Amino acid sequence: GNSVTQMEGPVTLSEEAFLTINCTYTATGYPSLFWYVQYPGEGLQLLLKATKADDKGSNKGFEATYRKETTSFHLEKGSVQVSDSAVYFCALSGENRETGFQKLVFGTGTRLLVSP
Amino acid sequence: DTEVTQTPKHLVMGMTNKKSLKCEQHMGHRAMYWYKQKAKKPPELMFVYSYEKLSINESVPSRFSPECPNSSLLNLHLHALQPEDSALYLCASSQGGTGGSGTQYFGPGTRLLVL
Repeated sequence: GNSVTQMEGPVTLSEEAFLTINCTYTATGYPSLFWYVQYPGEGLQLLLKATKADDKGSNKGFEATYRKETTSFHLEKGSVQVSDSAVYFCALSGENRETGFQKLVFGTGTRLLVSP
Repeated sequence: DTEVTQTPKHLVMGMTNKKSLKCEQHMGHRAMYWYKQKAKKPPELMFVYSYEKLSINESVPSRFSPECPNSSLLNLHLHALQPEDSALYLCASSQGGTGGSGTQYFGPGTRLLVL
């Protein structure tokens, strides 16, 4: 079945450091890939997505490229801020096997802590 | 607008109480979801409604009862819950249909405490 593997956290960085959070996946067919962010005490927010191979999703300085050859979707940011401290979930949406919706498969989440 | 709203934000209930969680979206989405999230874990899918019909029940205990009154609203009725049901309950919606990327948009959640 489909699965997502994320790097273990927490990831601890100083402000303005470069961020990489690794995500690899196993899936049949051509899934869509997502990064969601969850700030403390809040719900999940869609950060970025990519729907086909070689697509790059980007938002708020974060980027991730859909690499089918390495089945990866690593999240990167050039210069993190304290306000980026949150939990980041990688997820995939499989092909539509049921009428009208697609299930999301989540990774375990990676906590990012950014200090001033 | 990609907003999903949920009420209440917080809920404390006893094991004999009956309460309801509410979710609303006005994006014209035809698929809506309930998730349960425990601390430091990813969300776990509970129910999926597609075109106002229950499509998936992930073996959820009957003390959780979902309802979809119309295409914009989703309720989760709670009765005789256990302390282990304490969690963040998240609602989400997606466009639905046979195409699309399956992008789900989440609400802020209801934090439930069962005493």
